[in-house]
Amino acid sequence: DIQMTQYPSTLSASVGDRVIITCRASQSISSWLAWYQQKPGKAPRLLIYKASTLESGVPSRFSGSGSGTEFTLTISSLQPDDFATYFCQQYNSYSYTFGQGTKLEIK
Amino acid sequence: EVQLLESGGGLVQSGGSLRLSCAASAFTFSGYAMSWVRQAPGKGLEWVSAITNSGGSTWYADSVKGRFTISRDNSKNALYLQMNSLRADDTAVYYCARQAVSGTFDYWGQGTLVTVSS
Repeated sequence: DIQMTQYPSTLSASVGDRVIITCRASQSISSWLAWYQQKPGKAPRLLIYKASTLESGVPSRFSGSGSGTEFTLTISSLQPDDFATYFCQQYNSYSYTFGQGTKLEIK
Repeated sequence: EVQLLESGGGLVQSGGSLRLSCAASAFTFSGYAMSWVRQAPGKGLEWVSAITNSGGSTWYADSVKGRFTISRDNSKNALYLQMNSLRADDTAVYYCARQAVSGTFDYWGQGTLVTVSS
C-alpha cells in the first residue's frame, strides 16, 4: 500500500497567517492527491483534487501544489472558519490511503 | 441537494455481525462508484471498501478483506456494508461517500457509529 505522511501533525496559527501543510507519498502518485477539511463531529469536506484543482464552492485562499511524491496545501490568509483538521488522500490506486491529519489550532 | 444517510450502526460484541446501509438521494446513484470510509474515535480516516457504479467490481482494505462485503441496490438507491467477525479495532464512525469522476470523495454522509465490545 502507498503510505501518506503528513506534517506537521499540529499547527498553531493566527487569523490572517499563511500556512502550509505538507503531504508525502511513499511512491509516486502523479497528481492523484486530494485534500479534505474536517471539523469536530462532522464529515470531511473535499477541498482540492488532482493536487491543485479547487472543488466548487471552496474559497480561493485554499490552494494545492505538487506532483509525484511531495504535495502542499496552502491557506493564504487564515480565517476563523479554517481552524479544523486537514487530511491528504491518495487515489492513485486502491487501496486509497489518507495522511494522519494536521490539526490547525488558534494561536 | 445530494444526500447520503447512513444507518445500522450500534453496539455489537466481538465476533458479531452488523449491516450498514446508506440511502442516497438527489443524484443518479447508478452513475457513481461508492465507498465506505471509517474513522476510529480520535483517529484519522481509513478507506474500507469501494464498489463500481454497476456493482460489478469491489475492492477492500486488507484490514477488512474476507470479513466485510460491500454491495449496492441501484433500484433502491442504496449502498450496504455487511460486517462479519467484528473486532474491537473495527470500532469507528463509518461514512459512506460518493466517488466523483475525479476519483475523490465529493459527498459524504453524516456517519454511523459502530462500537465493538470485547
